[in-house]
Amino acid sequence: AQKVTQAQTEISVVEKEDVTLDCVYETRDTTYYLFWYKQPPSGELVFLIRRNSFDEQNEISGRYSWNFQKSTSSFNFTITASQVVDSAVYFCALSERYGGTSYGKLTFGQGTILTVHP
Amino acid sequence: NAGVTQTPKFRILKIGQSMTLQCAQDMNHNYMYWYRQDPGMGLKLIYYSVGAGITDKGEVPNGYNVSRSTTEDFPLRLELAAPSQTSVYFCASSYSPSTSGSLYEQYFGPGTRLTVT
Repeated sequence: AQKVTQAQTEISVVEKEDVTLDCVYETRDTTYYLFWYKQPPSGELVFLIRRNSFDEQNEISGRYSWNFQKSTSSFNFTITASQVVDSAVYFCALSERYGGTSYGKLTFGQGTILTVHP
Repeated sequence: NAGVTQTPKFRILKIGQSMTLQCAQDMNHNYMYWYRQDPGMGLKLIYYSVGAGITDKGEVPNGYNVSRSTTEDFPLRLELAAPSQTSVYFCASSYSPSTSGSLYEQYFGPGTRLTVT
């Protein structure tokens, strides 16, 4: 069975600090997808990134970067120079691929509450 | 495009009542999903559908039913509401080409906050 663990329940930082959110996953499949979603206080879920298990390149998008390491089954998320608007719950999620066709069922971690203080 | 829409946004039910949560998407996505999010927790999959007329159970299906008669709509039915079903319900959709098996991101609706008392 697949599992996603976000060990950090809550993180509190001061604006402009860098912060890394950890995500560790378990899967029996060799082909899978990893995602990060942001849930701001308003409650909606905002897609941030999708990563295929075959693509281990790190990715940077503005102040956001992601570090994918298959050897340690981790997909960590770093926010550089954090801002108050980054305050949200962040979810890591995993989708396995079944029988050559992905049904896209997501397994979510429990989420990390990030609070950025001014 | 409206994306994924859900109605209602809020609802209070009494124990034993029934209701249907509506979900619609206008992106022609083949896959649709229902998740629930309990306070302080991640989302858990209730049911999913890979196309019109095809549905299957997720991790927590008990107490719920779904149908998918069209590509656009995926309603979730609660037959006998229980306090344990107090949660925020999210509908989502995504596109997956059947030939390649690739998977794209799921687009989520704004959620329905349900309280059962």
